[in-house]
Amino acid sequence: GENVEQHPSTLSVQEGDSAVIKCTYSDSASNYFPWYKQELGKGPQLIIDIRSNVGEKKDQRIAVTLNKTAKHFSLHITETQPEDSAVYFCAASRSNDYKLSFGAGTTVTVRA
Amino acid sequence: EAGVAQSPRYKIIEKRQSVAFWCNPISGHATLYWYQQILGQGPKLLIQFQNNGVVDDSQLPKDRFSAERLKGVDSTLKIQPAKLEDSAVYLCASSLGARTSGLGTQYFGPGTRLLVL
Repeated sequence: GENVEQHPSTLSVQEGDSAVIKCTYSDSASNYFPWYKQELGKGPQLIIDIRSNVGEKKDQRIAVTLNKTAKHFSLHITETQPEDSAVYFCAASRSNDYKLSFGAGTTVTVRA
Repeated sequence: EAGVAQSPRYKIIEKRQSVAFWCNPISGHATLYWYQQILGQGPKLLIQFQNNGVVDDSQLPKDRFSAERLKGVDSTLKIQPAKLEDSAVYLCASSLGARTSGLGTQYFGPGTRLLVL
């Protein structure tokens, strides 16, 4: 089955700086890659996703890049704010069934 | 639009007891998922329903876990008997429909936090 690895496990950044989280996947048939943000005591919330027919996608301060050849994808958060502090999960799946395989998560702390 | 609802939010039981969790997906969502999230890990899929049929239950420990989705709407997940290692957050998610491009985005509920003593 699919194996998703996520790095780093923790990330501390100064407010206003950028944060980058990287994931690799093993199943070459995966072509859907969502990112979720999970705050304490809440369920994961989708913040951005990308499909394999594009290499990059942006939504305001958040961007995701995908390299299918190398089988890795990354989340970039610019101009970080205290409310960006949370656990972020990457995931991967084949679009035909959408069963998601998640990475282990990255705890992001934005220092004021 | 109302999100995915789950209850209870918290549950504490002793090992060997039984427990049940309930999920109400977003209205109109055909696909429903149950995930187990152990502390410090990402969610792991337990079972996936398409309407009231099971699509994938390969990761469900069937000797103690069971799930049903009657009438293709609400779903219940049961554990009997519970073990210490079942302590986790049980997340329910729903999507408009799998197997169709663009309709598989999963929306998660708040989860049920289970502690087995």
